[in-house]
Amino acid sequence: GAGVSQSPSNKVTEKGKDVELRCDPISGHTALYWYRQSLGQGLEFLIYFQGNSAPDKSGLPSDRFSAERTGGSVSTLTIQRTQQEDSAVYLCASSLWVAGGTDTQYFGPGTRLTVL
Amino acid sequence: AQTVTQSQPEMSVQEAETVTLSCTYDTSESDYYLFWYKQPPSRQMILVIRQEAYKQQNATENRFSVNFQKAAKSFSLKISDSQLGDAAMYFCAYRTLNDMRFGAGTRLTVKP
Repeated sequence: GAGVSQSPSNKVTEKGKDVELRCDPISGHTALYWYRQSLGQGLEFLIYFQGNSAPDKSGLPSDRFSAERTGGSVSTLTIQRTQQEDSAVYLCASSLWVAGGTDTQYFGPGTRLTVL
Repeated sequence: AQTVTQSQPEMSVQEAETVTLSCTYDTSESDYYLFWYKQPPSRQMILVIRQEAYKQQNATENRFSVNFQKAAKSFSLKISDSQLGDAAMYFCAYRTLNDMRFGAGTRLTVKP
């Protein structure tokens, strides 16, 4: 079946512009995660959606970052007034949440964001 | 705070040989899950293996196995009969009900 998809695969923008990154999770997956991966680094958790619950925004680095998930499916990560330090690969993952934290996350291919 | 530490930024192995990647974690939780993910140059994160903390038996997936030492909070990955396609970044990850953490990664090179 189809995996997690993300668009665009690459995005180049100018400092100060807003960008939107899209994630289509695996159909039926109730949980969705956004991560940021800077060059040569591990994954930094940004935000987590689970069903209709309020998202866990504890990882968002600043108020320039926001995300929404419409209809419990597609998610959009928005970065306002982009800065050069926002340049990174943004990864989305989804999982079929099971009570007790037994989910396995499946990752999309990521969006490489370059802020000039 | 929960942390995941991968102490080997880079590792190298000869094709067909065995290599072990280290991972330690710090937690006060008793119920959690551990994962190893592989990220090849295509950057697609791929699940390699997972381990439930309540299980004493080490997980195995074909050439991949783990050595899970709960008391020591250690979760190493062993790759047997290494293949060129195993070359990638490997990330150790820790998951509880409310938290997900990744290590900084180990870059594995496989020499022909």
